[in-house]
Amino acid sequence: GAVVSQHPSRVICKSGTSVKIECRSLDFQATTMFWYRQFPKQSLMLMATSNEGSKATYEQGVEKDKFLINHASLTLSTLTVTSAHPEDSSFYICAAKPIRGENEKLFFGSGTQLSVL
Amino acid sequence: KNEVEQSPQNLTAQEGEFITINCSYSVGISALHWLQQHPGGGIVSLFMLSSGKKKHGRLIATINIQEKHSSLHITASHPRDSAVYICAVSSPFTGNQFYFGTGTSLTVIP
Repeated sequence: GAVVSQHPSRVICKSGTSVKIECRSLDFQATTMFWYRQFPKQSLMLMATSNEGSKATYEQGVEKDKFLINHASLTLSTLTVTSAHPEDSSFYICAAKPIRGENEKLFFGSGTQLSVL
Repeated sequence: KNEVEQSPQNLTAQEGEFITINCSYSVGISALHWLQQHPGGGIVSLFMLSSGKKKHGRLIATINIQEKHSSLHITASHPRDSAVYICAVSSPFTGNQFYFGTGTSLTVIP
């Protein structure tokens, strides 16, 4: 089945630093990738929709300058948390929608647990 | 009010029991998805359905479009089924957006 690789799986960083999270679709192309944030025992919250070759679409309340998204190719999207603060500590997970085949499905990465000290 | 509601929120079962998790939604959908999230956080898509019933091993998913309701059943539950099960819907009215339920945390005791 389709595989989405996300890393790092866990990162601990100091307040004020930037963290980059990568999301790769390994065996399919995805024009659209999604970035979600999940707090403990809560549902996935869509942060932004990443489209290959164009600017990401951010959900209301998500700061574009803080959460930088780059969708450089049909298989790679990155999320950079800039100047991270403790309140940014959360579980971040990406998902990709295939161009062809099972394009109604979402394939998820394994997630990144970010802890900002 | 969430577009997708799941029940129960938490469920504990003895190994071997038959388990049902329910999902109701309030939007028009193109498909409903059942996802499984393990303690490590990774999410696996179990089913995608837009009508009727699907079966995969010990898992069965059903959907009633008229009632806007879906159920996920697990037969002969096993401790390895312990996970969070999430219902999600994709709507033709919101482009690519998926709406997610808050999940049902299942613990199967040996």
